[in-house]
Amino acid sequence: GNSVTQMEGPVTLSEEAFLTINCTYTATGYPSLFWYVQYPGEGLQLLLKATKADDKGSNKGFEATYRKETTSFHLEKGSVQVSDSAVYFCALYWKIKYQLIWGAGTKLIIKP
Amino acid sequence: NAGVTQTPKFQVLKTGQSMTLQCAQDMNHNSMYWYRQDPGMGLRLIYYSASEGTTDKGEVPNGYNVSRLNKREFSLRLESAAPSQTSVYFCASSELGQGAYEQYFGPGTRLTVT
Repeated sequence: GNSVTQMEGPVTLSEEAFLTINCTYTATGYPSLFWYVQYPGEGLQLLLKATKADDKGSNKGFEATYRKETTSFHLEKGSVQVSDSAVYFCALYWKIKYQLIWGAGTKLIIKP
Repeated sequence: NAGVTQTPKFQVLKTGQSMTLQCAQDMNHNSMYWYRQDPGMGLRLIYYSASEGTTDKGEVPNGYNVSRLNKREFSLRLESAAPSQTSVYFCASSELGQGAYEQYFGPGTRLTVT
């Protein structure tokens, strides 16, 4: 069946460090892929998306590339800030059921 | 444009009590969703409504009922609350047919059942 696997957290980095959060998926066909972010005490909001293989989604300095050959959609940022501390969720769109399939989330902690 | 709104923000119930969580969206979306979020388990879909007049079970529907009152509103009811239903509940909406299928979330309801 369809599934999304994310690296376990928490991930703790110093400010200005390079960030990678791994996400791999299992699905039939070519689903759309998403990264959502949840800041403390808030709901989730879309960070970036990619709808087909080799697409690169980007927003707020974050990037992720849809890699069909490795079924991955890793999230990266070149220089993180304290304000990036949040929980990050990877998800794929399951068209048949009109649903998003979610990863478990990765908590990111950035220390000044 | 408020997006997705949820009421209440916080609620404490005793075991066996009932309550309804309210959700409304003003984006004219067809699809609406109820999730629960528990520590270490990410988001789990309780029920969803692909369009007005339809509802379907998600991954964890037991103990819950839903009503799609109209296109804007989608409520979640706990008939007899149990401690296992202590969680944060999120409502979301989306428009079918958009290529990338983005969901928009409300701020959540934090429910504690004692």
